[in-house]
Amino acid sequence: AQSVTQLDSHVSVSEGTPVLLRCNYSSSYSPSLFWYVQHPNKGLQLLLKYTSAATLVKGINGFEAEFKKSETSFHLTKPSAHMSDAAEYFCVVSDRTGRRALTFGSGTRLQVQP
Amino acid sequence: DAGVTQSPTHLIKTRGQQVTLRCSPKSGHDTVSWYQQALGQGPQFIFQYYEEEERQRGNFPDRFSGHQFPNYSSELNVNALLLGDSALYLCASSGSGSGNEQFFGPGTRLTVL
Repeated sequence: AQSVTQLDSHVSVSEGTPVLLRCNYSSSYSPSLFWYVQHPNKGLQLLLKYTSAATLVKGINGFEAEFKKSETSFHLTKPSAHMSDAAEYFCVVSDRTGRRALTFGSGTRLQVQP
Repeated sequence: DAGVTQSPTHLIKTRGQQVTLRCSPKSGHDTVSWYQQALGQGPQFIFQYYEEEERQRGNFPDRFSGHQFPNYSSELNVNALLLGDSALYLCASSGSGSGNEQFFGPGTRLTVL
């Protein structure tokens, strides 16, 4: 069994300040972990993925996430927010192959203030 | 490469009707998964098709059924529609060459009145 908890349903930051979106996971086996972004009326886009290689994962648009097994966390960060980052973000867990069922968190809405 | 495509884009049905949604996977992908995303929630896994067989299924009733064709495209069928079936239905494809990633289509917005 696997599950994901996104600790904040809504995060608001000012443009140019750091972003932190928190995610804890539960899995009975070595997981693959992902962050997806969904802009309004757009499809899901993969930001980054962890698949048991390096624990610090770099993604697109300056986003990073660190896999911490001891804390069962996979928090998403970005040093400096941009207005275009405003969207819904989903933390996702799957089996090690990443090709079976994806289990999504409930999402975090990121708001970026000018 | 056209990516994952889904049809139709939008659909309006009434309670009790049946609906069929379609998905064409990314070129070279042989696995198709379907997800339901209710308003304000994260997507939930419905089922996955591989080699024309349902390989894995989520916690959805039998009213939800599917099919995969020899060209790897897939259909999602929902019978006896309920108001609660109103959602965005997402299709994702993957294959041996896609690494660990599933690629999502733009979705079909189903409204049940």
